[in-house]
Amino acid sequence: GAVVSQHPSWVICKSGTSVKIECRSLDFQATTMFWYRQFPKQSLMLMATSNEGSKATYEQGVEKDKFLINHASLTLSTLTVTSAHPEDSSFYICSAWGRGNSNQPQHFGDGTRLSIL
Amino acid sequence: GDSVTQMEGPVTLSEEAFLTINCTYTATGYPSLFWYVQYPGEGLQLLLKATKADDKGSNKGFEATYRKETTSFHLEKGSVQVSDSAVYFCALSNQGGSEKLVFGKGTKLTVNP
Repeated sequence: GAVVSQHPSWVICKSGTSVKIECRSLDFQATTMFWYRQFPKQSLMLMATSNEGSKATYEQGVEKDKFLINHASLTLSTLTVTSAHPEDSSFYICSAWGRGNSNQPQHFGDGTRLSIL
Repeated sequence: GDSVTQMEGPVTLSEEAFLTINCTYTATGYPSLFWYVQYPGEGLQLLLKATKADDKGSNKGFEATYRKETTSFHLEKGSVQVSDSAVYFCALSNQGGSEKLVFGKGTKLTVNP
């Protein structure tokens, strides 16, 4: 079945560092990718939606200059957390959806646990 | 806006017990409905889905029926196993998969031997 690979799975870094998270669709063309954030014991909140070749659409309250999203190809989207601070520590999950079958659901990556010291 | 409400957890059951996790939704159109499962430290896996009223989604012994009249999509399993311990999320999408998913808060299930 469809597989979405997310990397890295765990990152720990110092405050002020920028961190890049990759999301790849391995066996289908992902025309749309979604980035979610999950706080401990809470649900997933959509941060942004990105379509290949166009600018991401951010949800209300999400800082687009803080969370840079690039979707340059049909198999890769990246989320860069710029100048990360401890409050950015969270579990980030991407999902991907491919054009061609409107009934197919999104496929999720395994998530990235980001810890800012 | 669209929203999903699911029963608060945590839920603790003994092996072979019957499971029900309630889920209701509010949506402006006719959404597709999903149940996702998240095992500790992992991402989400699609458990089952239904795209229109009266559809029944099923997988791995789990079932849920899309009830338009009660705007519900309750998850059931007749006999749970220890390996079913996870967090379960009910979700909806207005375009099947091409639009964002709106999630419930999740219900943590623990099954004891």
